[in-house]
Amino acid sequence: DQQVKQNSPSLSVQEGRISILNCDYTNSMFDYFLWYKKYPAEGPTFLISISSIKDKNEDGRFTVFLNKSAKHLSLHIVPSQPGDSAVYFCAASGFTMNRDDKIIFGKGTRLHILP
Amino acid sequence: EPEVTQTPSHQVTQMGQEVILRCVPISNHLYFYWYRQILGQKVEFLVSFYNNEISEKSEIFDDQFSVERPDGSNFTLKIRSTKLEDSAMYFCASSEATQGYFRFVGYTFGSGTRLTVV
Repeated sequence: DQQVKQNSPSLSVQEGRISILNCDYTNSMFDYFLWYKKYPAEGPTFLISISSIKDKNEDGRFTVFLNKSAKHLSLHIVPSQPGDSAVYFCAASGFTMNRDDKIIFGKGTRLHILP
Repeated sequence: EPEVTQTPSHQVTQMGQEVILRCVPISNHLYFYWYRQILGQKVEFLVSFYNNEISEKSEIFDDQFSVERPDGSNFTLKIRSTKLEDSAMYFCASSEATQGYFRFVGYTFGSGTRLTVV
């Protein structure tokens, strides 16, 4: 039961270029979406989020786009830096569900920034 | 910056033994969670805890699992009789609020405990 799907297990991008990580979801009850970054031996670290009432949220080099009709979101990192190499998890939550703070994660995409 | 602390970082246990994973949430947080990640798989929700009781649990969180907040600072996950398939990274998380779009304010994960059942 994959409610949040990240179809690319890995992605390699040249330093300085744009990294685009994609995510699809199936549950139309989701109303809040998050991106987490994870380094080995560490827990997921919050990166950026977007509520379903918006279609774009920007924070520095990171921008998240939400296309509700397509049930698709993407994370853009520009310019990509070596420290961005990590696993990125797309995640979602549904306020109108029985509980409103459970996070549903995708399987993650490993981003490699090439020198 | 406040952080969620988990101990131990790695626990090895024999199948059938009981384990207790410990977490110290951020001090002013009221909502506590356990997640786990089996190697190569996604991070999965196990349980949420508020006001000294379970708010929600997943189907993974069966009778072998229990959670407790024994004092004002610790939050523990107990696995009563471990199975090989319980081997995973277990992440504790805590948050300040659970209202609407603010429910993820300060939602912070610990670094995890790697549980290996042999």
